[in-house]
Amino acid sequence: GAVVSQHPSWVICKSGTSVKIECRSLDFQATTMFWYRQFPKQSLMLMATSNEGSKATYEQGVEKDKFLINHASLTLSTLTVTSAHPEDSSFYICSARDASGRSDEQFFGPGTRLTVL
Amino acid sequence: QKEVEQDPGPLSVPEGAIVSLNCTYSNSAFQYFMWYRQYSRKGPELLMYTYSSGNKEDGRFTAQVDKSSKYISLFIRDSQPSDSATYLCAMSAPRGSTLGRLYFGRGTQLTVWP
Repeated sequence: GAVVSQHPSWVICKSGTSVKIECRSLDFQATTMFWYRQFPKQSLMLMATSNEGSKATYEQGVEKDKFLINHASLTLSTLTVTSAHPEDSSFYICSARDASGRSDEQFFGPGTRLTVL
Repeated sequence: QKEVEQDPGPLSVPEGAIVSLNCTYSNSAFQYFMWYRQYSRKGPELLMYTYSSGNKEDGRFTAQVDKSSKYISLFIRDSQPSDSATYLCAMSAPRGSTLGRLYFGRGTQLTVWP
């Protein structure tokens, strides 16, 4: 149980294009999902907290107009990197918290590697 | 001062060794403590999850939490080459608090050589 999937697993795009990454909780409902980015040999940096049915909460220094988050259902959150540039190349990882409240565990997706040329 | 401090290593040990990984933290509100293992180019997977102080054992893995010292540890016994990965500590305060998000350490890169 407690599986989180991400799609795509990797993407290469040209500078200036937009890329959408999906995060799904497969066997549980998640009112809250989290989006992280991770640079090589660095830890996870929280970008934003995605709340089902409401606006996302962004961490300081993260541009909300560049990283659009939509959490339209209890099992799906999307991150859209708009007008991507090479410096946006990174490993993007989502996590989801079980809405049942049984625990505070977060379950992570396998990550999406974005390369912007 | 960062919320969570973790020595990034790298740490290299022979197969069969006992590995000790540690994190310190500054916020006394943290009550949930986790260790994640992350293989290269993969998402983190939860290894151990502990509430408040004490020890928890699962197979070759033992997690310890000392809230009085704000110090947590993960021990790996009889380490195997398949344990080679980056180990991330993480912690959070109770869900209803403003600190309900996870705070991660930087991660320690471990290599177990045969």
